[in-house]
Amino acid sequence: GDSVTQMEGPVTLSEEAFLTINCTYTATGYPSLFWYVQYPGEGLQLLLKATKADDKGSNKGFEATYRKETTSFHLEKGSVQVSDSAVYFCALRSNSGGSNYKLTFGKGTLLTVNP
Amino acid sequence: NAGVTQTPKFQVLKTGQSMTLQCAQDMNHNSMYWYRQDPGMGLRLIYYSASEGTTDKGEVPNGYNVSRLNKREFSLRLESAAPSQTSVYFCASSDDRDRQYFGPGTRLTVT
Repeated sequence: GDSVTQMEGPVTLSEEAFLTINCTYTATGYPSLFWYVQYPGEGLQLLLKATKADDKGSNKGFEATYRKETTSFHLEKGSVQVSDSAVYFCALRSNSGGSNYKLTFGKGTLLTVNP
Repeated sequence: NAGVTQTPKFQVLKTGQSMTLQCAQDMNHNSMYWYRQDPGMGLRLIYYSASEGTTDKGEVPNGYNVSRLNKREFSLRLESAAPSQTSVYFCASSDDRDRQYFGPGTRLTVT
């Protein structure tokens, strides 16, 4: 079945540091890939997405590139801020079969950014 | 435009009690979902509804039932709560572009 493996946290960085959160996936066919973010006490929000190989999703300074050869979708940001402190979830949506609207999530990575 | 709303925000139940979690969306989305979030487990899909009038089991449906009351509302019922159902429950809805919109969650404790 489909699965998502992401870097275990927690990750603690200083403000303006470079961020990478690794994500790899297993799926049949060509899934769509997502990063969701959950701020404290809130529901998840879509951060960025990519729907085909070599696509780069980007939003709020975050980027992730869909790498089919390595089945990866790593999240990066060049300079993190305190306000980026949150839990980040990698997810995929399979494009094979009839149930192609369900998401499979990774376990989440807690990021804490200190001033 | 409220998005996805959930009630209640917090609930404490005793083992064996029943309750219904309510979810409503005002975005005219066809698909709606119920997830549970547990530490170290990420989000796991309990049930989903691809459209009004249809519901299907997700990854962890045991102990739950759902009702898609109309296009806006999708409720989750625990008939006989167990401590293993202590969790944070999220409702979500989506449009055709597969962006899911999440509610603020219900924190449920079963003692």
